[in-house]
Amino acid sequence: GIQVEQSPPDLILQEGANSTLRCNFSDSVNNLQWFHQNPWGQLINLFYIPSGTKQNGRLSATTVATERYSLLYISSSQTTDSGVYFCAVGATSASKIIFGSGTRLSIRP
Amino acid sequence: SQTIHQWPATLVQPVGSPLSLECTVEGTSNPNLYWYRQAAGRGLQLLFYSVGIGQISSEVPQNLSASRPQDRQFILSSKKLLLSDSGFYLCAWRAFGVTYEQYFGPGTRLTVT
Repeated sequence: GIQVEQSPPDLILQEGANSTLRCNFSDSVNNLQWFHQNPWGQLINLFYIPSGTKQNGRLSATTVATERYSLLYISSSQTTDSGVYFCAVGATSASKIIFGSGTRLSIRP
Repeated sequence: SQTIHQWPATLVQPVGSPLSLECTVEGTSNPNLYWYRQAAGRGLQLLFYSVGIGQISSEVPQNLSASRPQDRQFILSSKKLLLSDSGFYLCAWRAFGVTYEQYFGPGTRLTVT
C-alpha cells in the first residue's frame, strides 16, 4: 500500500515565523489533503490539492505529483496555528485515504 | 451545505460494557462513510468504511463492529469494551463520485476504565 511520511515530526516556532511542512508519498495518487487538528481534536480541512498550488490567506500548499511530495507553507505564524498537521493521500480507485503520522506545530507567543 | 454529527461527545465506560457510537450526515446522498480511531498523541487509524447501505469494509481485526442501517447513518459498536479501546473516535464522509475530499465530524472521546 501507499506509504506517507511527514516531516518534521515536531516544530516549535516563535509567533511571526514562517514554516514549511513536507509530505512524501510512495506511489501515484490523485487525492491529497492537508488537515489541521486543533487542540480540541477537530480536524479542519485546509487544502484538497492532488497537484498544483493553492493559497488561502497565510497558508499555501504545493503538490508535485510526479516527484511524490507536497509542501504546506505557513507564513507569519500565530498561536492559533498550533496543533497537528496531517497529510492524507489516496489512489484513483481507492475508497480510503492514508494518513501520515503528522507534524506537531507549537507557536510560542 | 453538508453537516456531519457525532454523539456523544465524550463517554466514560467500564471494561466489559457495550458501546454504540452514532454518526449521521446531512445534505448529501450516498456518501462514503468512515470510522477512525486516534490514540492519545498518535495518528489516525482507519477502522471501517462503507460505500453503501449494508456494505462494510473492516481494516483492523478487533472487538469493534460497524453497521450502516441507513444511507447517511454509520454506527460503531462493541459488545465488550477493552481498556485498549480508549481513544478519540472520528467519523468522516466523502461525497460519492465527486472529488475524493473527506470531511470529519467533531469526534467522540472514549475512556474505558
